Amino acid sequence: QQPVQSPQAVILREGEDAVINCSSSKALYSVHWYRQKHGEAPVFLMILLKGGEQKGHDKISASFNEKKQQSSLYLTASQLSYSGTYFCGTEGYNQGGKLIFGQGTELSVKP
Amino acid sequence: DSGVTQTPKHLITATGQRVTLRCSPRSGDLSVYWYQQSLDQGLQFLIQYYNGEERAKGNILERFSAQQFPDLHSELNLSSLELGDSALYFCASSTGGGEKLFFGSGTQLSVL
Repeated sequence: QQPVQSPQAVILREGEDAVINCSSSKALYSVHWYRQKHGEAPVFLMILLKGGEQKGHDKISASFNEKKQQSSLYLTASQLSYSGTYFCGTEGYNQGGKLIFGQGTELSVKP
Repeated sequence: DSGVTQTPKHLITATGQRVTLRCSPRSGDLSVYWYQQSLDQGLQFLIQYYNGEERAKGNILERFSAQQFPDLHSELNLSSLELGDSALYFCASSTGGGEKLFFGSGTQLSVL
């Protein structure tokens, strides 16, 4: 039931791009993305509700393919502040808002 | 500041003991979620409440229980504590199902 994220970790130089994938074995109603910096609480990035939906937040965007039960998070022209662990959270249909998180992807952006 | 308040921030106790973690959701939020995060682990869903009623349950041990009170604050009770229960416990709130979660700063539990 837990979504699977890939890669587990990625190291970037400032300005480089990255993609983080999230896939589920179950039909999804929504996908959430959160970022957690070391020693802090997770912070909401975006939520995708419909199949094929794409959303953007500054230079971070995401897509959701409902048919494939997959979502991808795109980080463009990465900045040092992007470093942290990214979690996708998935909600199935008729789950009343129950959000299950993947194991996380650790992103490190180096100068 | 997310608006979600968790107390205490740190808790050190011994095996076999019982502790209570408290969470006050953001003003207006009806849903409260509890997650456990162990070292190098992801966020494990424990339980969710909506307006005082249990909405969903995850991998919550029988030694653990929770409730949401009429004023919407929630408490997570952990009993017969074991070393493996040491973790960061997060509370999160949202306006309702399917909405974004706002996380509290967490309670770091250390069982010695």
